[in-house]
Amino acid sequence: ETGVTQSPTHLIKTRGQQVTLRCSSQSGHNTVSWYQQALGQGPQFIFQYYREEENGRGNFPPRFSGLQFPNYSSELNVNALELDDSALYLCASSPHREIITEAFFGQGTRLTVV
Amino acid sequence: DAKTTQPNSMESNEEEPVHLPCNHSTISGTDYIHWYRQLPSQGPEYVIHGLTSNVNNRMASLAIAEDRKSSTLILHRATLRDAAVYYCILRGTQGGSEKLVFGKGTKLTVNP
Repeated sequence: ETGVTQSPTHLIKTRGQQVTLRCSSQSGHNTVSWYQQALGQGPQFIFQYYREEENGRGNFPPRFSGLQFPNYSSELNVNALELDDSALYLCASSPHREIITEAFFGQGTRLTVV
Repeated sequence: DAKTTQPNSMESNEEEPVHLPCNHSTISGTDYIHWYRQLPSQGPEYVIHGLTSNVNNRMASLAIAEDRKSSTLILHRATLRDAAVYYCILRGTQGGSEKLVFGKGTKLTVNP
């Protein structure tokens, strides 16, 4: 059983650019959530996908968007990057939409916007 | 979102028990209490969760107060590998999804 993998591990982008981050869910998991973690803070919920549809969203602007594919892998897209978007982006998968059980996190993508 | 309050930091010695407190006075009757930890340069890792009764697993124990307004994560014998930020989380629902609402957590330092 493979874990949650994210790519790339590190990324540097210029303000105004667009970025795509990728996540491969743990085998058998149909729910994926994305979180943003600023330095020294806890992760903040961006959105969740369940069976290829967005299933809930946190307080993030529309320039944060996502996709989930039939194999349950996922992408996070951020348009018009701002300096404050610099953070660790975490993907978490779970076997059920209701994460009463545990969520499995990837190691994250460190995005730096300059 | 239901909020939790944790001390910013705690310190322990190796092979001693550690009790990490969490206050959640606004918890609702159906909220589960989850604990995750985050080691340096890693994503969060599930530790344990519970609803009303105390829970044990191979990693830790979770003691839940009778009124459910507080809980304590117990590491029975701390090791250096347990040095991490520990998050106490109440399951929250937004738009039909089940999200984890993280606070700043407690940074645990384990001394050799």
